[in-house]
Amino acid sequence: EVRLVESGGGLVQPGRSLRLSCGASGFVFDNHAMHWVRQAPGKGLEWVAGISWNGRKIGYVDSVKGRFTISRDNTKNSLYLQMNSLRVEDTALYYCVKDSDGYNYQYFDYWGQGILVTVSS
Amino acid sequence: DIQMTQSPSSLSASIGDRIIITCQANQDISHYLNWYQQRPGKAPKVLIYDASELETGVPSRFSASGSGTDFTFTISSLQPEDFATYYCQHYTNLPPRVIFGGGTKVET
Repeated sequence: EVRLVESGGGLVQPGRSLRLSCGASGFVFDNHAMHWVRQAPGKGLEWVAGISWNGRKIGYVDSVKGRFTISRDNTKNSLYLQMNSLRVEDTALYYCVKDSDGYNYQYFDYWGQGILVTVSS
Repeated sequence: DIQMTQSPSSLSASIGDRIIITCQANQDISHYLNWYQQRPGKAPKVLIYDASELETGVPSRFSASGSGTDFTFTISSLQPEDFATYYCQHYTNLPPRVIFGGGTKVET
């Protein structure tokens, strides 16, 4: 059974940093690209960042470029999102997501349950 | 930049109804489009990938078609568990990017 478990969320002040982690199991982690997708309260889905199996193909939504960094550790079956210079508008439920493909982005076949990040003073 | 316009943003329907949702891109995106269902309080679930391919285990009442700029998603006969929000999603690898449509809430 595929499992994706996010951790590291919480309440943080604007301008501060937070690091999200995602532990994966039930599939061969280093065969798949991975992503972070967020959903602000009552809003739609927004892709945040993606990373290929080997970390060589990385993409970000424009609004987080230069502030967020996606990474992975295939030895630990883990995905990360380092979030710096957080803004109120980054408040959202953040999902860890598995891609169906390894190097390219294709479709998202498994999702975690999400972790809440609240940016507020 | 590619923009995805999904419509309608919401619709009212009854059990047994045929539901059609559209997704339009502002430039040719070939068949690089997926459809997801999100039930309240749950994570999204993929239903259709590559514009028209039904994901394994998804009921056949769900279907989709289209290519280029215009895409449609259909539920042939709405079931109680289908009341949810549906999203289209475009993906590209040059550059690597993913864009979701705004969503369509199907409600009673």
